[in-house]
Amino acid sequence: GAGVSQSPSNKVTEKGKDVELRCDPISGHTALYWYRQSLGQGLEFLIYFQGNSAPDKSGLPSDRFSAERTGGSVSTLTIQRTQQEDSAVYLCASSLVRGYTFGSGTRLTVV
Amino acid sequence: EDQVTQSPEALRLQEGESSSLNCSYTVSGLRGLFWYRQDPGKGPEFLFTLYSAGEEKEKERLKATLTKKESFLHITAPKPEDSATYLCAVQVNTDKLIFGTGTRLQVFP
Repeated sequence: GAGVSQSPSNKVTEKGKDVELRCDPISGHTALYWYRQSLGQGLEFLIYFQGNSAPDKSGLPSDRFSAERTGGSVSTLTIQRTQQEDSAVYLCASSLVRGYTFGSGTRLTVV
Repeated sequence: EDQVTQSPEALRLQEGESSSLNCSYTVSGLRGLFWYRQDPGKGPEFLFTLYSAGEEKEKERLKATLTKKESFLHITAPKPEDSATYLCAVQVNTDKLIFGTGTRLQVFP
């Protein structure tokens, strides 16, 4: 596609449930990033995939968070046993050389 | 620790009233400084990348400048459609970006 696509655009889940967020990057982009944006906060780095290299997971806030990227393309961010503090907009971006292209994000609300 | 600070947090301008947004940074080994625009409910949209002190880039009513400690985003004769949150980010030793918290700009007719 022409841009980075994220789904769903909105997700409301009950505390304790698991959620999966999907990101379709721009075709041919080798790098893929997940960020989290909480109200009034800057974008917080979560995880970064580059080609076939091991992902940089240094930003994941707890072991309830995980992500995978299949076939160097689509990525899924999974949050297990969701908590209210996980409520935020989760943004995915992809890049080829320099400069990110962001998707519109998934707004996650944990009730 | 690498840090990015943006000011002001919010800015209200009358249409045509020029101003500047500031992004100050403390990093070890700057590879690039990025400006993004973010509209409500959307992801950040790329505006500029600056790589070295003294560099300037322009796009319509926006001009970005870079020194060794900070970057400015100058807005000349803004219009209501320039209303958005402007985000600054730095790239250091890895490919990930470190973002500031942004400046919310409102331009009134």
